[in-house]
Amino acid sequence: EVQLVESGGVLVQPGGSLRLSCAASESIFSSYSMSWVRQAPGKGLEWVSSITGSGVSTYYADSVKGRFIISRDNSRNTLFLQMNNLRAEDTAVYYCAKFSSFLPDVWGKGTTVTVSS
Amino acid sequence: DIVMTQSPDSLAVSLGERATINCKSTLSVLYSSNNKNYLAWYRQKPGQPPKLLISWASIRESGVPDRFSGSGSGTDFTLTINNLQAEDVAVYYCQQYYTTPRITFGQGTRLEIK
Repeated sequence: EVQLVESGGVLVQPGGSLRLSCAASESIFSSYSMSWVRQAPGKGLEWVSSITGSGVSTYYADSVKGRFIISRDNSRNTLFLQMNNLRAEDTAVYYCAKFSSFLPDVWGKGTTVTVSS
Repeated sequence: DIVMTQSPDSLAVSLGERATINCKSTLSVLYSSNNKNYLAWYRQKPGQPPKLLISWASIRESGVPDRFSGSGSGTDFTLTINNLQAEDVAVYYCQQYYTTPRITFGQGTRLEIK
């Protein structure tokens, strides 16, 4: 089973930028659509963004559209999330997840993003 | 967006008893062309990522005990956990993927031991 490891989460000031990474263990990474899902402290799960296996198509939640950019490097089996103009409400654990048959079936352990002055 | 609403928000069940969690969607997640419900259930233990338990409303993932079962169709779904074990303490989420990749989750149901 593919393993996913997120990194890049830190404390950042409002208005700042951050790039998250998610490294996959398998070379067939390019076969799968991938997503970012976040969870604010003590809250539920919120889908953030998705990208197809080829990277051609991307999708965003309205809450992050225009501020976040999802991308992937299939040669490095890595998924990215560029986060710009960060707000306090972006504070969350960010999970990357592999899609199979239309839904996320494998999740990483998450990386924590804190937006605060 | 399809909004998913779970009930109850929390419940406490005795060991060995049955737990029942309900999930309702604002629109049907039954795709008529293949007669499949695009509905999944996840379990999240403290400090861990969600784990997929059931997909297509009633299909258990490999390795998930048969104490877990999913049912329902259209807009109303149920997760049933029979013979509750201590390791079942967690938050459970339903999720629709009818509008994949724009998936949406229920607010979660916290399951505790009575």
